[in-house]
Amino acid sequence: DAGVIQSPRHEVTEMGQEVTLRCKPISGHDYLFWYRQTMMRGLELLIYFNNNVPIDDSGMPEDRFSAKMPNASFSTLKIQPSEPRDSAVYFCASSGIYRGANEKLFFGSGTQLSVL
Amino acid sequence: DQQVKQNSPSLSVQEGRISILNCDYTNSMFDYFLWYKKYPAEGPTFLISISSIKDKNEDGRFTVFLNKSAKHLSLHIVPSQPGDSAVYFCAARKNSGNTPLVFGKGTRLSVIA
Repeated sequence: DAGVIQSPRHEVTEMGQEVTLRCKPISGHDYLFWYRQTMMRGLELLIYFNNNVPIDDSGMPEDRFSAKMPNASFSTLKIQPSEPRDSAVYFCASSGIYRGANEKLFFGSGTQLSVL
Repeated sequence: DQQVKQNSPSLSVQEGRISILNCDYTNSMFDYFLWYKKYPAEGPTFLISISSIKDKNEDGRFTVFLNKSAKHLSLHIVPSQPGDSAVYFCAARKNSGNTPLVFGKGTRLSVIA
């Protein structure tokens, strides 16, 4: 299996622009998570899905952030408009079927976002 | 409010010696704990875990100890190797069912040859 695939690996954009991050989970996994890593807050959960349905988005920092999972093999995290404080590494992770959201996660390589 | 705390942002250890990474938690509902390892430009990968019904779990050079009364766990790496240099995240889950893992801020371990 190719693992969790994220794109792009790096994104540099200007303040005010729309940013879309993409994720393909491991085939057969029914949980998908979006995390953000910063020095100040470490790994913080933004939102997670179960069977393509958003379960908890309380970690999404503002209305500028939105996430979708139109099917079992694809998810997006969108920031519109982007701000410099959104600069961070964004990770997507998935968790296997027959296991709960609390089992070990498989992470993608992350997207390094820089908003100038 | 950090429910999982890793109070040491960094740690430096000589090759061959023991590395001890610490983690404290505040939520008594946590019943399962995991350590993840992260190399630069890669995502975190699972390393080792422990259930609250145990106080120790060992896997090769890696051992995790859990002290429930103190709400403290530690990861021991013996002997430390340069390839162990990475950021280590402590994570915990609640026993209430399908809730996601809560991560600490991470500790950067540098193993010096």
